[in-house]
Amino acid sequence: NAGVTQTPKFRVLKTGQSMTLLCAQDMNHEYMYWYRQDPGMGLRLIHYSVGEGTTAKGEVPDGYNVSRLKKQNFLLGLESAAPSQTSVYFCASSYRAGGPGETQYFGPGTRLLVL
Amino acid sequence: QQPVQSPQAVILREGEDAVINCSSSKALYSVHWYRQKHGEAPVFLMILLKGGEQKGHDKISASFNEKKQQSSLYLTASQLSYSGTYFCGTVLISGSARQLTFGSGTQLTVLP
Repeated sequence: NAGVTQTPKFRVLKTGQSMTLLCAQDMNHEYMYWYRQDPGMGLRLIHYSVGEGTTAKGEVPDGYNVSRLKKQNFLLGLESAAPSQTSVYFCASSYRAGGPGETQYFGPGTRLLVL
Repeated sequence: QQPVQSPQAVILREGEDAVINCSSSKALYSVHWYRQKHGEAPVFLMILLKGGEQKGHDKISASFNEKKQQSSLYLTASQLSYSGTYFCGTVLISGSARQLTFGSGTQLTVLP
């Protein structure tokens, strides 16, 4: 039982390049989330999904797109990377929203540097 | 609406107590507490649901005052392993999909 895994662990991009971050969970969770973490800012929600085939915008969605084609996977895409997207990206999942099931389990993170 | 955490940082000696506060300007459904060690993912500590409950886990406990929209995390007889950044996350009653909004964190350092 691997929990939540993220690929890659670290990536360097040049401005304007694109990339996709992959998140996978093996806990059969319905909800999945993408956060970014910047120094002094805490965790900010980018996009989330409440089930296979669904996505929704979070607090800071601009410049990112997501897809949830399979229940266990949640992809975060950067179409044209900008230096402002340099950050640590965390994926999380939860069984459902509401009550004790809200516990979010986080992946190990992806460090992205955009030059 | 990001919750406000205080203090931003605290340094204490092993065995001392600490309190971390989290407050919101809007009505809360639940408060979550996470701890993150440097370079690692946040790890869940506990959830407090609307109803003003109090929870404990070993020597770490928390309370939730729904009338004041505040939660406090209590760390008693702190251990070196308690060092890290503590985040509260809040879910609003008015939230459409139970989104968790995190505070900016409290950095706790426990010295020997």
